[in-house]
Amino acid sequence: GAVVSQHPSRVICKSGTSVKIECRSLDFQATTMFWYRQFPKQSLMLMATSNEGSKATYEQGVEKDKFLINHASLTLSTLTVTSAHPEDSSFYICSASKGGGQPQHFGDGTRLSIL
Amino acid sequence: RKEVEQDPGPFNVPEGATVAFNCTYSNSASQSFFWYRQDCRKEPKLLMSVYSSGNEDGRFTAQLNRASQYISLLIRDSKLSDSATYLCVVNGPSARQLTFGSGTQLTVLP
Repeated sequence: GAVVSQHPSRVICKSGTSVKIECRSLDFQATTMFWYRQFPKQSLMLMATSNEGSKATYEQGVEKDKFLINHASLTLSTLTVTSAHPEDSSFYICSASKGGGQPQHFGDGTRLSIL
Repeated sequence: RKEVEQDPGPFNVPEGATVAFNCTYSNSASQSFFWYRQDCRKEPKLLMSVYSSGNEDGRFTAQLNRASQYISLLIRDSKLSDSATYLCVVNGPSARQLTFGSGTQLTVLP
C-alpha cells in the first residue's frame, strides 16, 4: 500500500493564486522529505529538501520565496506555490524515505495547471 | 557531464523480447542505486534496488559495476504492461538525496 500520500492530485487555478500541496508519510516518521518538479517529457528535478523543524534546503535556481516549504511535523511537509503563474504549471511530486539507505517512496503527485 | 546518464531510447520491442538498459553515474561516492518505472502522467514507482552482487526479481535483473560506475537493467520476456519510462536513480550528492537519470522510454508492441 501507499506509504506517502500527496494531496491534492490535481489543481487548476487562475494566475496569481497561491496553491498549497501536502505530503504525508503514512506509517513512518520522515525527518526529511523531498520535493520534485517534472515538466512534460523531462526528468524529475529536485527542487528542495524539506527538513523537519528547520529551514528547507533549496536547489540552485529554485526561488525560496516562490516555493514555500513547511515541515512542521515528522509526517507532514507542505509546498506552497505563491502567486502562481502559467510557467509554474507542472507535475509536483514529493518523496520520503524510511532512512538507512532505503529507497524513496513517492506521493501520487500533483498536477498543477495555472490559467 | 550529467550526474546520471541513461540510454536515450526510445526502445520499441515486440512482446517476449529481451531488452537491456544501461546507465552510468558520475559520483563515485554513491552508495545506493535503484531502478524506478514511471508510467505516463504518474509518479515514479520503485522497480528494484540494485546491489553490488547483482539481483534478480522475476523477469528483471539488475547489475552494478562500481569500478565502471555502471548500472544495467535486463527485462526478459517483455510484456505489454512493461511499457513505461525506466529511471536510473542514484543517491547523492548528499546521502539522502536522489539523482534521477532522464529516463528511457520502453514500448512493448503486440
